[in-house]
Parts: sequence; C-alpha cells; structure tokens
Amino acid sequence: EVVLTQSPATLSFSPGERATLSCRASQSVNNYLGWYQQKPGQAPRLIIYDTFNRATGIPARFSGSGSGTDFILTISSLEPEDFAVYYCQQRRYWPITFGPGTRLEIK
Amino acid sequence: EVLLVESGGGLVNPGGSLRLSCVASGFTFTSYTVNWVRQSPGRGLEWVSSVKSSGSDTYYADSVKGRFTISRDNGKNSIYLQMNSLMADDTALYYCTRARIAVAGTGEFDSWGRGTLVTVSS
Repeated sequence: EVVLTQSPATLSFSPGERATLSCRASQSVNNYLGWYQQKPGQAPRLIIYDTFNRATGIPARFSGSGSGTDFILTISSLEPEDFAVYYCQQRRYWPITFGPGTRLEIK
Repeated sequence: EVLLVESGGGLVNPGGSLRLSCVASGFTFTSYTVNWVRQSPGRGLEWVSSVKSSGSDTYYADSVKGRFTISRDNGKNSIYLQMNSLMADDTALYYCTRARIAVAGTGEFDSWGRGTLVTVSS
C-alpha cells in the first residue's frame, strides 16, 4: 500500500500570503496524484488532478507541482474561503490511498 | 449537474448488516467508475471500494474485504454497498463518489455526494 505523508498537520497563514502544502508518497506514483479541499460539514472537493491540473471551477491561485514521490500544492494568495483541510490522494496503485490531511488555519 | 445521493445509513449493532445505496444523475452513469469513500468522525478520508462501469471489476480496501460487497445497477443509475459483520471501526460518514475519467474508468474523485452516516454500536 502506498502511504502518503502530509506534514505539518497544521499550517497558519494570513490572508494574502502564499501557502505551500506538501505530500510525500512511500513509492513513486508517477503523476497520479490529486488534491482535495474539505470545509467543515461539507464533502471534499477535487481541486487538482494528475499533479498539475486544476479541476473545473478552481481558481488560478491554486497550482500543483511535483513528480514521483514529492508533490506540492501552492495557493498563491490566500483568500478567506481557502482556510480548510487539504488532502492528497494517489490513484497509481490499488488500494487508492489518501494522506492524513493538512489543516490550513488563519494566523 | 452531476448529483450523487446516498441513503441507507443508520445505527446497527456490532456484527450486524446494512445496505447503502447511491443514486446518480446528471451524467452517463454507464461510462464511469463509482466508489465509496468513508470518513470517521473528526478523522481523515479512507477509500472503501470501487466498481467499474460494467460492474464486473470491483476493488476493496483490505479493511473491508470479505465483509463488504459493492454492486451496481446501470438500469437504475445506482450503486450499492452491502456491509456485513459490521464493527465499531466501520462507524463513519460514507460518501458515494465518481471517478473523473469516463470509459477508462479511473481518475480522481470529481463528484461527491453528501454522505450517509453509519454508526455501529450496541
């Protein structure tokens, strides 16, 4: 099973700042890595697929990068609505696995 | 608009059974893999099971293999999760999701339902 590690568990930023979240896989998943955003009481929402690609309706301030085992989600200028929990997920191998999540909180 | 609506959750005793349903609309159901993902209260996401478009290819997390069975009825735009031998660790909100890529039957989960809550407790 591919284990995804997201650290730290919590990041604190102010609106307008640039945030980078990391995800590391225990083995290469090629580019089959996605990112989800989840707000309290809501289902997760896909924001990045296949490492780089923004999902439908996702603003351009969200971008993804990386390859193999190391991946980054960048939010270029944080808006108040971006403070949430972010999960990475790999689909290269069964079982599909998720990272434990990073909580982005307002400083 | 893609819509996934789950139902069937509830309170069940340890060792009991429950059958979840998910009805899909707004897309060509027969072209997509559909999945169950669960989230325990205050915890992260766990993929549970997937069924490809034909219904003949199914996949399970080790934690549910042998106890849960996924199926689909393409005539009713629905998938099901039969859950047997339930344990306290199965307590979670169960989401129905769609895999992003049609025909190939793979991809990240681009659509999610609102979830149905399963509580296993005596």
